[in-house]
Amino acid sequence: ETGVTQTPRHLVMGMTNKKSLKCEQHLGHNAMYWYKQSAKKPLELMFVYNFKEQTENNSVPSRFSPECPNSSHLFLHLHTLQPEDSALYLCASSQDWTVGYTFGSGTRLTVV
Amino acid sequence: AQSVAQPEDQVNVAEGNPLTVKCTYSVSGNPYLFWYVQYPNRGLQFLLKYITGDNLVKGSYGFEAEFNKSQTSFHLKKPSALVSDSALYFCAVRDWENQGGKLIFGQGTELSVKP
Repeated sequence: ETGVTQTPRHLVMGMTNKKSLKCEQHLGHNAMYWYKQSAKKPLELMFVYNFKEQTENNSVPSRFSPECPNSSHLFLHLHTLQPEDSALYLCASSQDWTVGYTFGSGTRLTVV
Repeated sequence: AQSVAQPEDQVNVAEGNPLTVKCTYSVSGNPYLFWYVQYPNRGLQFLLKYITGDNLVKGSYGFEAEFNKSQTSFHLKKPSALVSDSALYFCAVRDWENQGGKLIFGQGTELSVKP
């Protein structure tokens, strides 16, 4: 257990469904991140939140909608996804860049 | 532009042999460098970091990395590889052009250690 918890671990959803991924950390970190990891591709940074404010959105399609209600929780709301959105979605948090990130175990998403 | 490169997609090593996973970087500020390991269907786990100090950094599971400023490299090494070291390895560098301290990750190197 790293201190960053992601739920669910696995998710299968249809293209018309709406679902949410959850990330929770009680490490006292003030920055949280969503990454997408597809097979045979590098990590893709999706969103960055610092002190609950979104500071980066890397041209992510609007079918992905992040939410950060407080510094401990981060959500990724999903709707009308495409099969190519199937991937491992990783959440990470950090307090200070000198100690890097702490990652969750990820949510394996399959869009059918 | 700031970047980090891992020139090898895959590294194959026999168990008991030394291993090296390569990483080079380009940054506008001080190079704060990290190595992470990822096992199948898991998140990334921190291995070691270089912020300042000795060029040889020791980390988890017997891994170490050597910071070389002149060659802008931060190669990951282990004297004797284990089959259980087989995983995906990521090098990362702090993004100085981003106030939030975001890390820039390399594309990853798959390490395969055969018995």
